[in-house]
Formats: sequence, C-alpha cells, structure tokens
Amino acid sequence: GAVVSQHPSRVICKSGTSVKIECRSLDFQATTMFWYRQFPKQSLMLMATSNEGSKATYEQGVEKDKFLINHASLTLSTLTVTSAHPEDSSFYICSARGTPSSYNSPLHFGNGTRLTVT
Amino acid sequence: GDSVTQMEGPVTLSEEAFLTINCTYTATGYPSLFWYVQYPGEGLQLLLKATKADDKGSNKGFEATYRKETTSFHLEKGSVQVSDSAVYFCALSDNYGGATNKLIFGTGTLLAVQP
Repeated sequence: GAVVSQHPSRVICKSGTSVKIECRSLDFQATTMFWYRQFPKQSLMLMATSNEGSKATYEQGVEKDKFLINHASLTLSTLTVTSAHPEDSSFYICSARGTPSSYNSPLHFGNGTRLTVT
Repeated sequence: GDSVTQMEGPVTLSEEAFLTINCTYTATGYPSLFWYVQYPGEGLQLLLKATKADDKGSNKGFEATYRKETTSFHLEKGSVQVSDSAVYFCALSDNYGGATNKLIFGTGTLLAVQP
C-alpha cells in the first residue's frame, strides 16, 4: 500500500516552455503532498508543501510564480515549471504521507522526474 | 531551526563489511527520526524509523537506535551486500503540526559496496 506515482519519469523541453509534473497517491488520500528538488551530489531541497484545496506553502527562496503547484483533489498534485530555463534542469520528487496521517507517519515518495531543459 | 547532519560520503566498502553511517540532529522538541534509501534513478524509500528515545528501528538487516542523550540516529548493518549500494538519507520530523509536518533531510551519504 501507500504508492505514490509520479509522471513523467523523464522530460526534455526547450528553454521558455512550461512543463507539468503529476504526482498521484494511488491507494490512499493525501491532503498534503511535498515537492522536493534534488541537486547534484544528492542534496534534497524541500520546495513547497501542497495542500488539497488551498494554496501551496513555499519554502524560502522558491519562486511561487515559477513553480506553480496545484492540489485540486485528494489524490493529485501537480508541479508546473513555467518558462523553464537550463538552470531548472534537475530531479524533482514528490511525496505524501500515508494513512493514518500524522506527524510521525513516514513519507512515501514518487520515483521522481528528471527534467532537462535545452 | 531543526537540522540533520550526516557523515559525508562516499563510503566505499567491500562485501560483508560492517557499515556505520553517522547521523546527528538538532531539534527543539522530540522529533521522529527516519532513514530513507534512494537507489539509482529512483525516488526515496523508507528504510526504518523510530519515534521516541531508545527506540530501535530495523529493516533488511539495517538498524538505528534513537539516542536522545547524544542526539544521534546512526545507521548500521553487520554485513553489507552489493545490492545495498545506494544513497542513504537521515531525516527528522518534529512532533507538531500533524500531517503537514515536513521532513528535514540530511545531505545524504552515498554507499558503494564492491564485490
């Protein structure tokens, strides 16, 4: 149980275009999802907390207008990288808490999306 | 604020060697502690967790004990295999705020096991 599906796994896009990444909880409802960005040498940075039915909470230094997050249902959150540039190339990973959901429940992660902007 | 510090890698071991990856934390309250593993090209998977002091988490031969006195949660395995090669992340979650609590990760430690 507690499977998180992320799509696409890889995407290549041209500079200036937008890319949407989907994160779905397949067998549970997730009122909260988290979006991470992983940099070279594996450092994992929390970008934002996605809340179903309300605005996402962004971490300091993350541009909310560049990284648009929508959490329209209890099983789907999307991250859209708008006007992508080569420096946005990275590995993006979503996660959600399984049920019952509480502070000490582990996060379940999607398999990540490798974004390459040319 | 809360933080997690992990030993830097890469850690290179021969098969059947003993593994220790150090992790210490700083937190104002009594956090829950986790170890996650990331295999190449994949997302993170929960390896084990401990939610209170002196708890020992264990899974797949890996163990870690929540040490409040030393604020540590070191990962150990008695005999590593090539298939254990991966990046290991230590993380904490404070015990406030419920389900919206975010995980704070260490920088990750790359383990490479050679046959």
